[in-house]
Formats: sequence, structure tokens, C-alpha cells
Amino acid sequence: ELKVEQNPLFLSMQEGKNYTIYCNYSTTSDRLYWYRQDPGKSLESLFVLLSNGAVKQEGRLMASLDTKARLSTLHITAAVHDLSATYFCAVDRPRNQFYFGTGTSLTVIP
Amino acid sequence: DVKVTQSSRYLVKRTGEKVFLECVQDMDHENMFWYRQDPGLGLRLIYFSYDVKMKEKGDIPEGYSVSREKKERFSLILESASTNQTSMYLCASSLWGKSYTFGSGTRLTVV
Repeated sequence: ELKVEQNPLFLSMQEGKNYTIYCNYSTTSDRLYWYRQDPGKSLESLFVLLSNGAVKQEGRLMASLDTKARLSTLHITAAVHDLSATYFCAVDRPRNQFYFGTGTSLTVIP
Repeated sequence: DVKVTQSSRYLVKRTGEKVFLECVQDMDHENMFWYRQDPGLGLRLIYFSYDVKMKEKGDIPEGYSVSREKKERFSLILESASTNQTSMYLCASSLWGKSYTFGSGTRLTVV
């Protein structure tokens, strides 16, 4: 059975601090996706990681993929309040079916 | 701007009712998906479709069916709504190998 585990599930961090969200998965996959969800809203695509060693950066967020370790990370640099949201990773199963992690709820406090 | 439109933002239905959730995309995507989102469980795949009139079961299809009569439209049907189907329902579409585009979601409450 495929498992996609994110940790932490809840994260409260101060503005200006750095932190990393981890996404471990149990199956072989070369593709991993990160999404952001604001409260009451739908999911917005953040990053698409398509191969081992892939690294993508957008603003204060950087995502990486290690397919051998079956691990992706989402690193937050110098957090600001606008980053408060729930972040999901998703693994691409065969035939473009995504299997989502349970999400990490991030709250950035002043 | 690409769009996935779900017809209702909020729905309240009674136990035993037949419920239709509609999803329309304007991006000519082949693939369409229905997920439900519950606290602590993330998103779980209910059904998906790769082509018109084609459908496949996802991880939790029990109590649901789908219809795809046109490429742009994918409907989720709750044959006889039950309280355990109270949830947020998210529709998504994609091209092969690409990231999903999600609709804004339908929050369904079954009373």
C-alpha cells in the first residue's frame, strides 16, 4: 500500500525563521508535486519535481527531491505571515493519479 | 487563465437523496479527477477519467459513481447520500504527466 507521510502535521513558526517540511513516500516515483491551500480555498500548484536531485525555488520556498531516499523537502526561508497555509505533497502514481500526503498546516506568527 | 469550475460552493442535502456534483474545465484536458478532502486524511481519490465515457475507480469509490459524457464535464454522483459523505469535494483536471488544476471545491453537508 502506498503511503505518503508528511511531517510535521502542524507547524507554528516565528517570522524570520527557517524550517523544513518533509515528505516521505513508500513507492518508486520520479515525480513529486507540492501544493498550497489557503483556508477555505482550493489547492494551488507550487512546484513540480520531475527527477532525482531536482530543486525548485520560488521566493522564500525551495523544494527538492531525492528519489533514492523517497524524500522531498520544502524549505522555508525567513518566514513571513503570507506563507501561512496548508502544504501538501503528492506522488505521481502510474497513469497520472496523484496520491496526496495528509498536509502540513503552517502558521507564521509575528 | 485556465479554469476548473465546480457548480456549487456549498450544498446541504438530506440522507438518502441523490446528489450531483458538477465539474467543468475549459483547458481541453484529457484527465479529470474527483477527490474528497477530510481533516487528518488529506485528499483521497474517488474516481477518475482519461477520456469521454471512460471512468475508473480510485481509492474510495464506494457510494459514488461518475459520468463523463463530454470531455470538459465530469460529474460525481452520490447515489444515496449518507452522513459519512459530508466532506469537501475537489475536482481536478490535467494533461498527461502534468500538475493538476483544481476547482474551488464543493463543501457538502448531508443531514
